[in-house]
Amino acid sequence: NAGVTQTPKFQVLKTGQSMTLQCAQDMNHEYMSWYRQDPGMGLRLIHYSVGAGITDQGEVPNGYNVSRSTTEDFPLRLLSAAPSQTSVYFCASSPGGGPTYNEQFFGPGTRLTVL
Amino acid sequence: GEDVEQSLFLSVREGDSSVINCTYTDSSSTYLYWYKQEPGAGLQLLTYIFSNMDMKQDQRLTVLLNKKDKHLSLRIADTQTGDSAIYFCADQTGANNLFFGTGTRLTVIP
Repeated sequence: NAGVTQTPKFQVLKTGQSMTLQCAQDMNHEYMSWYRQDPGMGLRLIHYSVGAGITDQGEVPNGYNVSRSTTEDFPLRLLSAAPSQTSVYFCASSPGGGPTYNEQFFGPGTRLTVL
Repeated sequence: GEDVEQSLFLSVREGDSSVINCTYTDSSSTYLYWYKQEPGAGLQLLTYIFSNMDMKQDQRLTVLLNKKDKHLSLRIADTQTGDSAIYFCADQTGANNLFFGTGTRLTVIP
């Protein structure tokens, strides 16, 4: 199993450009999520999905779109990049949801710089 | 929303014990987690505790939970240089979403 993979590892964008961060998992996990990590702020949830075809907003969704057409893939789209979106982005997956123990498995991250 | 707080830095000498503290605000937390992040890598689950427990031990790791004070701690016994990393506590409330603390950067001095 490759686990959770993310591409690219690094990206530099100019303000106003759009791009898609890719995330894939091969563990047949229902739950997937995107976080951003900023210095001194921990990880903040952007969007999440509890299964194919179902997505919902997290704590900081503005400026980002997601879709979940398959169980394996959960891409994150930046519609019009802004310098405030400079961050490290992590994708995570876990087997299920609800109030039970669910270990989240994290990808290696994408470091995005917006100039 | 949920607020999870940690101190940003901790330095210990190799062989000593490290204690990393975390406070949270949501009283409906179901599980609390400790994750470790090494440089340039994603987060890796270290251990977790169910909210109706007050202690959990796993080899060199001891997790203490004071639910009344909403305080969680992670003790690492016999700290090694390989334990140098950022440690995040995370709080799960009901659904599967996690709220993370700011992370504590542990530096182990040889």
